[in-house]
Amino acid sequence: AIQMTQSPSSLSASVGDRVTITCRASEDIRNALNWYQQKAGRAPKLLIYAVSTLQSGVPLRFSGSGSGTDFTLTISSLQSEDFAAYYCLQDFNYPITFGGGTRVESK
Amino acid sequence: EVQLVESGGGLVQPGRSLRLSCAASGFTFDDYAMHWVRQAPGKGLEWVSSISWNSGDIGYADSVKGRFTISRDNARNSLYLQMNSLRPEDTALYYCTKEVLGGALGDVWGKGTTVTVSS
Repeated sequence: AIQMTQSPSSLSASVGDRVTITCRASEDIRNALNWYQQKAGRAPKLLIYAVSTLQSGVPLRFSGSGSGTDFTLTISSLQSEDFAAYYCLQDFNYPITFGGGTRVESK
Repeated sequence: EVQLVESGGGLVQPGRSLRLSCAASGFTFDDYAMHWVRQAPGKGLEWVSSISWNSGDIGYADSVKGRFTISRDNARNSLYLQMNSLRPEDTALYYCTKEVLGGALGDVWGKGTTVTVSS
């Protein structure tokens, strides 16, 4: 199974900060990489799919990049509503696998 | 309004079975692949299983392969997860989710149904 290593596991940031989360796949997954946001007590929300395609309704401060094995989620200017957990996922092949998650907390 | 509503969770003893259901509405169900994702208490997300629109392509996590069976009834707009030989480590909130058409899972999510495996 493809392993997805996400880093950091947590970070502290302030409103207005630029935040970067990385995800590394154990093998080439082409562009089959998605990002999700999950707030406490809520179902996850799809932010970005196919590396860099923004899901409808997602603010433009979110962006994704990368290819092959190394991928990045960037929040250009962190807003108060962005404090949450973030997960990457590869759907290149079965079994589909999530990264371990990154918790973005208020500094 | 697009909606997914899971049901069927509960408290079950190890080794027993449970069947989860997901009722879909507000979209053309048989156009979309569907998925189950779970989250153990205080833990991250874990993909469980996926099924294509016509049930022709199915996948399972290694942790549930041979014990869980995903299925769908397009006439009833419903997704199912038959869970056999349940283990304590299957304790989790189980989400039903649909794909972005032809693409990523997680376009829409249900609120989840809780499965607790304990004696």
